[in-house]
Amino acid sequence: ETGVTQSPTHLIKTRGQQVTLRCSSQSGHNTVSWYQQALGQGPQFIFQYYREEENGRGNFPPRFSGLQFPNYSSELNVNALELDDSALYLCASSTWRTSGGYEQYFGPGTRLTVT
Amino acid sequence: DQQVKQNSPSLSVQEGRISILNCDYTNSMFDYFLWYKKYPAEGPTFLISISSIKDKNEDGRFTVFLNKSAKHLSLHIVPSQPGDSAVYFCAASARGAGSYQLTFGKGTKLSVIP
Repeated sequence: ETGVTQSPTHLIKTRGQQVTLRCSSQSGHNTVSWYQQALGQGPQFIFQYYREEENGRGNFPPRFSGLQFPNYSSELNVNALELDDSALYLCASSTWRTSGGYEQYFGPGTRLTVT
Repeated sequence: DQQVKQNSPSLSVQEGRISILNCDYTNSMFDYFLWYKKYPAEGPTFLISISSIKDKNEDGRFTVFLNKSAKHLSLHIVPSQPGDSAVYFCAASARGAGSYQLTFGKGTKLSVIP
C-alpha cells in the first residue's frame, strides 16, 4: 500500500510569485486535507477536499486555493506569495472507517521558502 | 485563541520508564482526539485516537486517556524507548458538527534517555 506522497520536497520562491504543490493520497482514501506548519507551531488547517469538492476551509485568505482530481490527488496553489507563507506544507489523506474512526495520514511535506 | 494546548514544550524520560504527555482543549464541540508523532524532516505519523464516548484506548505501549469534564487528555507510553524521541502533537476534531479538520497543539518534544 502506497502512502501519501508530496512534491516537490523543497521550494524557494520570491515574494509575489505563485506556487503549486502536489499531493497523491494513500490508496483507497477519497479525502485530502492541506495544512501549513510554521516553525515551532502545530499544523494549521487550510482546507479539505472530498470527491473533488471543497469540504471545509480554515482561516486562510482566498489566494490559497486547491483542486482535487478524479484519482483523489490534489494541488495547493498559493498566489502573491508573502514572506509569512514560508512554512512546511503538509497534505493528509483519509477515509471513513465503518468503526467511525477518521484518522488523517500525512505525507512528508513540502518546505516552502519565500525570499 | 488556542483551542488545543500542550503546555509542556519538552519532556525528558529515562528509557524503560513511563512517558506522560498532556493536552488540554477548550472547544466543547471536539469529539474525536488523536495523537501524532513527528520526526524531523518527516510528516506527522498517526499513533492513536479516541472518541469522546470512551475514556481510554490502548494500542500496545500507547494508551490515551480522555477526561471530558476536565477537557483533558493524556498519552502514556510504557515502557519508553529511545526510538520514541520525537515531537508529539495532540489534535482534535468536531465530527459531530460536520467538521473533519484537525486542530493541533504546538507539540511536546519527548527525549528518551538511554
